This record gives sequence, C-alpha cells and structure tokens, in this order.
Amino acid sequence: GEDVEQSLFLSVREGDSSVINCTYTDSSSTYLYWYKQEPGAGLQLLTYIFSNMDMKQDQRLTVLLNKKDKHLSLRIADTQTGDSAIYFCAEARDNFNKFYFGSGTKLNVKP
Amino acid sequence: DTEVTQTPKHLVMGMTNKKSLKCEQHMGHRAMYWYKQKAKKPPELMFVYSYEKLSINESVPSRFSPECPNSSLLNLHLHALQPEDSALYLCASSQVAHTGELFFGEGSRLTVL
Repeated sequence: GEDVEQSLFLSVREGDSSVINCTYTDSSSTYLYWYKQEPGAGLQLLTYIFSNMDMKQDQRLTVLLNKKDKHLSLRIADTQTGDSAIYFCAEARDNFNKFYFGSGTKLNVKP
Repeated sequence: DTEVTQTPKHLVMGMTNKKSLKCEQHMGHRAMYWYKQKAKKPPELMFVYSYEKLSINESVPSRFSPECPNSSLLNLHLHALQPEDSALYLCASSQVAHTGELFFGEGSRLTVL
C-alpha cells in the first residue's frame, strides 16, 4: 500500500483482545476502513470510521482514530479462531475513486 | 443481492493466449474496480470505471485491457501476459460518492506459464 503501514503479524490466544494498528499519511482522508481477508478469498469490509470521529464501536469491534498522529487501530474483543485472517486498513482518496491498502496484518488466533 | 461474482475462479494460461476475466454485480453500484494482489501483499489498484467510463488507469501495461459493457459487468481482457502477472485479480464495486465502501468478489487466481 502507498504510505499506509501496518505491522505484519499478531498472535493472540482465543478469548483475548487483539489490537491491530495502522499508520496513514494522507491527512485529507475522509473515511478510513478495515477489511478482512480469509485465505483464498476476497476482502470483506468490517467497519469504517469517518474522520471527524475518534471512536466507533460495532459489536466486538472498536475502531480508534487519532487524526493528529494519523493512527488508526482495530480492537477485536474476545478473539475467536474464526477471526484468524489478514486485516487491511485502507484510506479512500480522490473522491473515493482510489483506495490505498496497508500492507496487511496477519492475525493468528491460538486455541 | 450484495454479491460481486467473478469468473473463472482459477485460470492457467500460456504467454501467447488470450483470455478474459469477468465480474458482475447487481447492487446498482456505478463504480467498478480491478485490483491485482500478489501473495502476501495488499491489493493494488489497476483500473476504475465510473458510470461505465474508464476514470483511472494506474499505468497498467497494455496487455491488460479492461472493458465495462454495462453498469453490471466488468471484464479484464488478457493478452501476451508474463509469468510475473500471475496473481489474484480482484473485482470490486461501490456506490459513487457514497461512503466508498468496496464490495469485493472472491477473485480470479491467474497463473501464467
């Protein structure tokens, strides 16, 4: 991804919380997104946050946005083995015509 | 119907072949996209169609030729590809000027021999 950075791996135990971090560089991004990709599959939108929000909660998912530091995080509560996947953050630019994805974080959930 | 359907799921072709990848959505979305994803990498944007017109070409080689016959269909024509073009090709769609959330197909895995 162009200037959108993520750590590559995260390993947690089932039932723990997972926190996946993302740093972006385009301060004009209006929306920021989290996508999930399971092996051999396409990407699935998990959640998104508007740039005038600091936090958004959606069931087990909590998104935190720090615009000053251009830092985005996704917290998954009570992580399950079915949450094992690659998680991409993404920002939309150019009136939503271009989505730039981070490098992806592979989440491994151990039973 | 919130699906983006891609065919074929797998394609193996030689460097002299001509083949096409197809994508279909019936959500009334007016923006459609082709992304290329290499193993262990994020998707990279190739083309964007907005209202059936090509609006963005991210400097993709001419051996990839997109086509949008109508608002529901998107094709990617392939000719004289190289082995390094082997990848997962993802189609996506979105409402134009909405929140911009993308709906992805499951991809077509292409192998060029």
